[in-house]
Amino acid sequence: GAGVSQSPSNKVTEKGKDVELRCDPISGHTALYWYRQSLGQGLEFLIYFQGNSAPDKSGLPSDRFSAERTGGSVSTLTIQRTQQEDSAVYLCASSKQASSTDTQYFGPGTRLTVL
Amino acid sequence: GENVEQHPSTLSVQEGDSAVIKCTYSDSASNYFPWYKQELGKRPQLIIDIRSNVGEKKDQRIAVTLNKTAKHFSLHITETQPEDSAVYFCAASKQAAGNKLTFGGGTRVLVKP
Repeated sequence: GAGVSQSPSNKVTEKGKDVELRCDPISGHTALYWYRQSLGQGLEFLIYFQGNSAPDKSGLPSDRFSAERTGGSVSTLTIQRTQQEDSAVYLCASSKQASSTDTQYFGPGTRLTVL
Repeated sequence: GENVEQHPSTLSVQEGDSAVIKCTYSDSASNYFPWYKQELGKRPQLIIDIRSNVGEKKDQRIAVTLNKTAKHFSLHITETQPEDSAVYFCAASKQAAGNKLTFGGGTRVLVKP
């Protein structure tokens, strides 16, 4: 079936502008994760959603970052007042559920460049 | 929180030789340890994983070993091929924390023909 998809694939924005990144998880997957990968670095957890439970926001680097998941499917990560240090690849992953150690499948990512 | 260290950061091997990447983790409650392969410009792809109730798992040329007492796990690739060239990431998570992954810093593997 279809894998995790993300849009846009690339986003260039000016410092101070807001951006929205979208993630479509694999159909039927109730758990959805956002990670950030800075240039040449590893992956850093940002936030995850499990079903209708309150999201775990423990990895969000500042209050400029927020995310929502509508209808238990599509998720949007919003970065307000972008800064140059926000430049990175933002990766979304989904798994069947977060309550067990199910495999997380990654999307292709959105490369964000803040000028 | 969990901390995962990965070594080496770069690894160059001759085609046909073996490659070994090692990771250590800090949280003894972690119970899931996946390995991802990421080719340039591509998404991370799971290549193998191991859960804390086993000590070793093998899939063709790839194997992973886990030592819970020492809190370390390793990836072994035998008979390396040029297509094994990529960045490899280890990770750790625990079911009790929603399975959010903590990643190592990555190992860039270059297989020379």
